[in-house]
Amino acid sequence: DSGVTQTPKHLITATGQRVTLRCSPRSGDLSVYWYQQSLDQGLQFLIHYYNGEERAKGNILERFSAQQFPDLHSELNLSSLELGDSALYFCASSPRQGRGNYGYTFGSGTRLTVV
Amino acid sequence: TQLLEQSPQFLSIQEGENLTVYCNSSSVFSSLQWYRQEPGEGPVLLVTVVTGGEVKKLKRLTFQFGDARKDSSLHITAAQPGDTGLYLCAGGSNDYKLSFGAGTTVTVRA
Repeated sequence: DSGVTQTPKHLITATGQRVTLRCSPRSGDLSVYWYQQSLDQGLQFLIHYYNGEERAKGNILERFSAQQFPDLHSELNLSSLELGDSALYFCASSPRQGRGNYGYTFGSGTRLTVV
Repeated sequence: TQLLEQSPQFLSIQEGENLTVYCNSSSVFSSLQWYRQEPGEGPVLLVTVVTGGEVKKLKRLTFQFGDARKDSSLHITAAQPGDTGLYLCAGGSNDYKLSFGAGTTVTVRA
């Protein structure tokens, strides 16, 4: 157990639907990062939150949004789902918002399948 | 487009052999991390290197950060089946993003 909890572990939904992925960071970590992993794209950075505030955005589609709550858990919302959104979605946390100098602790991921 | 290029993409060796995985970029990174990922799990941090020319050893694993902080290598001595997995390098930058390479799939046959 890495200390980062992601739910649900698996999700199957239809095109056009909306889903919410949840992440609880490791105790004491203030930063949360979301990544998408697919076979052809590898791990792609989506978004970073630090202590409730958005700090950096990567290749995140406008149909996707995220937030970090006062208790530091984070949610990634995916809407108007398309077949191409099928992927593994990982959440990672770190103690601070360092420039990659602090190791990330990853959760086990949510496998999203859009049918 | 991957900022970090890893080679080789796949590597299959016999138990007891040595292997080296490379991570190259045209960009300078403030730090370089290596992770190992097993099927169905998230990546697990192996090491972070921050100084150009730095060498770190973790049991049978040796990590090196290039002098110009653009490249890195991971060397495994006397590989064991438990070393099997996807090895990912990741570069840290001043915009708080960690960019990952596509990974090297290592298979160690018993």
